[in-house]
Amino acid sequence: GAVVSQHPSRVICKSGTSVKIECRSLDFQATTMFWYRQFPKQSLMLMATSNEGSKATYEQGVEKDKFLINHASLTLSTLTVTSAHPEDSSFYICSADPGQPVSYEQYFGPGTRLTVT
Amino acid sequence: AQSVTQPDIHITVSEGASLELRCNYSYGATPYLFWYVQSPGQGLQLLLKYFSGDTLVQGIKGFEAEFKRSQSSFNLRKPSVHWSDAAEYFCAVGASRGSTLGRLYFGRGTQLTVWP
Repeated sequence: GAVVSQHPSRVICKSGTSVKIECRSLDFQATTMFWYRQFPKQSLMLMATSNEGSKATYEQGVEKDKFLINHASLTLSTLTVTSAHPEDSSFYICSADPGQPVSYEQYFGPGTRLTVT
Repeated sequence: AQSVTQPDIHITVSEGASLELRCNYSYGATPYLFWYVQSPGQGLQLLLKYFSGDTLVQGIKGFEAEFKRSQSSFNLRKPSVHWSDAAEYFCAVGASRGSTLGRLYFGRGTQLTVWP
């Protein structure tokens, strides 16, 4: 089946530093990838839609300069949290859609736990 | 704007009992509806989906869901719960048109606990 990986699974960083999270589709190509943020006991909040070869589309209220998204290839999207602060601590989840451009068959990564100290 | 409401934050059932998880949605067009399950350390897994046609959809692991347009609901059911079903369940609505095509919007989730 379709597999999506995320790296790292956990990361702890100091306030003011930047952290990069990778999302890879291992056995399929994905024109479209999505980034979500999940707070404890809460829903997955869609942050942005990542499109291969073009700029990401951010949801309302998400700071595009803080959460930099790059979709450099059909199997890799990265999320960089710039100048991280404790309030950025969260669980970040990516998904990949193998459709052209979308099929609604999103395959989800296992998530990355970010802790900012 | 689209939204999903899962009114039950936590449900506890005994193994072998039936289960129904509630989901109500709000969307201005024909909705695409999904149920996902999330287990610790694993990515969300699709249980079933509804795009069109038969309003009763069958999914994996013995789950089914019924789309009721008049009630804006898409409740998930299972006739007999197994201990391995304990997890977090998310209902989602997919944008079927417009600039948000392809995006999923999730409810807050329902945590299912199964007693032996």
